[in-house]
Amino acid sequence: GAVVSQHPSWVICKSGTSVKIECRSLDFQATTMFWYRQFPKQSLMLMATSNEGSKATYEQGVEKDKFLINHASLTLSTLTVTSAHPEDSSFYICSARWAGANVLTFGAGSRLTVL
Amino acid sequence: RKEVEQDPGPFNVPEGATVAFNCTYSNSASQSFFWYRQDCRKEPKLLMSVYSSGNEDGRFTAQLNRASQYISLLIRDSKLSDSATYLCVVNLDNDMRFGAGTRLTVKP
Repeated sequence: GAVVSQHPSWVICKSGTSVKIECRSLDFQATTMFWYRQFPKQSLMLMATSNEGSKATYEQGVEKDKFLINHASLTLSTLTVTSAHPEDSSFYICSARWAGANVLTFGAGSRLTVL
Repeated sequence: RKEVEQDPGPFNVPEGATVAFNCTYSNSASQSFFWYRQDCRKEPKLLMSVYSSGNEDGRFTAQLNRASQYISLLIRDSKLSDSATYLCVVNLDNDMRFGAGTRLTVKP
């Protein structure tokens, strides 16, 4: 079945540093990838949608200059949290979908802790 | 009004019980519907798609009511391993929207 690999699974960083999270589709071409954030005991919140080769579409209230998304190939999308602060600490999850599919495959998530 | 609404629960039920969750959606043009399961600190995983005629997978039954714009998930003979958060997902033009999830705890 479809597999999405997300890395790193957890990261601790100092306030002010930038963190990059990678999301790879291992056995399919992900034409669309989604990035979510989930705070404890809350639902997934869609941050942005990225289509391969084009700029990401951000949800209202998500700062595109703070959360940089790159989807340069059909198998890789990256999320960079720039100048991270403690309030950015969260569980970040990606999901991917191939062309014509309406089922999402999720990465295992990345738990970010900003000190 | 939220695009996809679910009762957050928690639902606490004994083993063997039957439990049902509902999910309402606001856009009548929504095209496809799913239930995902999310265990604590894990990623969501597809439980089942929801078809207009209703569909069953073992102890799980999903129903769609387009007229009233809701979908449901019924779990029969609950197991301890069913404890999780169940997410309702609605798709419109490839835009997938998640409900906040319903938390289920099955107790011995």
